[in-house]
Amino acid sequence: GAGVSQSPSNKVTEKGKDVELRCDPISGHTALYWYRQSLGQGLEFLIYFQGNSAPDKSGLPSDRFSAERTGGSVSTLTIQRTQQEDSAVYLCASRLLASGGAFYEQYFGPGTRLTVT
Amino acid sequence: KNEVEQSPQNLTAQEGEFITINCSYSVGISALHWLQQHPGGGIVSLFMLSSGKKKHGRLIATINIQEKHSSLHITASHPRDSAVYICAAFNNNDMRFGAGTRLTVKP
Repeated sequence: GAGVSQSPSNKVTEKGKDVELRCDPISGHTALYWYRQSLGQGLEFLIYFQGNSAPDKSGLPSDRFSAERTGGSVSTLTIQRTQQEDSAVYLCASRLLASGGAFYEQYFGPGTRLTVT
Repeated sequence: KNEVEQSPQNLTAQEGEFITINCSYSVGISALHWLQQHPGGGIVSLFMLSSGKKKHGRLIATINIQEKHSSLHITASHPRDSAVYICAAFNNNDMRFGAGTRLTVKP
């Protein structure tokens, strides 16, 4: 079946511009995550959506970053006034919510490579 | 000190060798996740485990909750196993990642 998809796959933008990154999770997956991987660095948690609950924004690095999830499905990560240090691969993942003690694995999208010049 | 530590950082092996990658964590966890990141950047989930041992093909993952330690083993390694292997501690939907182990398997 269809996996997690992200768009665009690559984005080059000028410093100071706003960008929007899109994630389409696997149908039926109510949990959605955004991560960032800077060049040569490990994965960094950004934000988590669970169903209709308020998102966990604890990983967002600054108030220039925001995300929303419409209709419990598609999510958009927005970076305002981009800076060069925002250059990274932005990864989205989705999974089923844990229930009855079970833990379900995350399925990752291919990522969006953002380059801020 | 990082909350999730992996070792080694880099590992080079000959085809056929038995590989072990270690992960220690200092946070409380609900489960531990092993991920594989291919050279092209795609990430695949290998295992998610909260106790004991799981096996899938040539891959084996074990976890010792008391010692806060997990290992990923690859038997009969192959060049296509070359990738970065990432350990992630999962707790209440918060995920903390290790820095990854870069494995290169030479033919």
